[in-house]
Amino acid sequence: GIQVEQSPPDLILQEGANSTLRCNFSDSVNNLQWFHQNPWGQLINLFYIPSGTKQNGRLSATTVATERYSLLYISSSQTTDSGVYFCAVGQTGANNLFFGTGTRLTVIP
Amino acid sequence: EAQVTQNPRYLITVTGKKLTVTCSQNMNHEYMSWYRQDPGLGLRQIYYSMNVEVTDKGDVPEGYKVSRKEKRNFPLILESPSPNQTSLYFCASSYRGARTGELFFGEGSRLTVL
Repeated sequence: GIQVEQSPPDLILQEGANSTLRCNFSDSVNNLQWFHQNPWGQLINLFYIPSGTKQNGRLSATTVATERYSLLYISSSQTTDSGVYFCAVGQTGANNLFFGTGTRLTVIP
Repeated sequence: EAQVTQNPRYLITVTGKKLTVTCSQNMNHEYMSWYRQDPGLGLRQIYYSMNVEVTDKGDVPEGYKVSRKEKRNFPLILESPSPNQTSLYFCASSYRGARTGELFFGEGSRLTVL
């Protein structure tokens, strides 16, 4: 299956700082999603972004499918942003998503 | 409220005792899927279903069964649980499949097999 690599694996930020999380994938995709897993374990869909750029409040994401990567930007981070961020990708003709191992973000006050 | 509901949320059982984790969605989604999450391994797909009576294996189907008799329900069955099935399980659904739709997750079911 397709390989999905996320970096960095861990990130510690001071509240108010900005950050960029990266997702690299090994093959062409037609589905890419970003998820946030909060400290209670809930998985929340942040973006469905197989290509292009989207923004939602302090979060934005960009996928450059031709270069096989996606970026998640978090601006003015808050403690509630803490948790694990997962990237998941799907390929043309496939019905499953492959997940990266995540970036663990800790925002300290 | 649109949601994916799993039960039980927490379960401790013993090796070999059959158990079922239920999953129900109220969004009329065609696609449903089960994942397990283990430390350092991320989420791995167990089984998925494109529609009623249509199921297929994911990456780690061994030791699990599923059925899709109704559109809203997709139970995960462990016929003879073993300790290596101790994990956090998530059910997910999507309008038209993982290829095209946003995936929505249930709250997770933490299973411990002794």
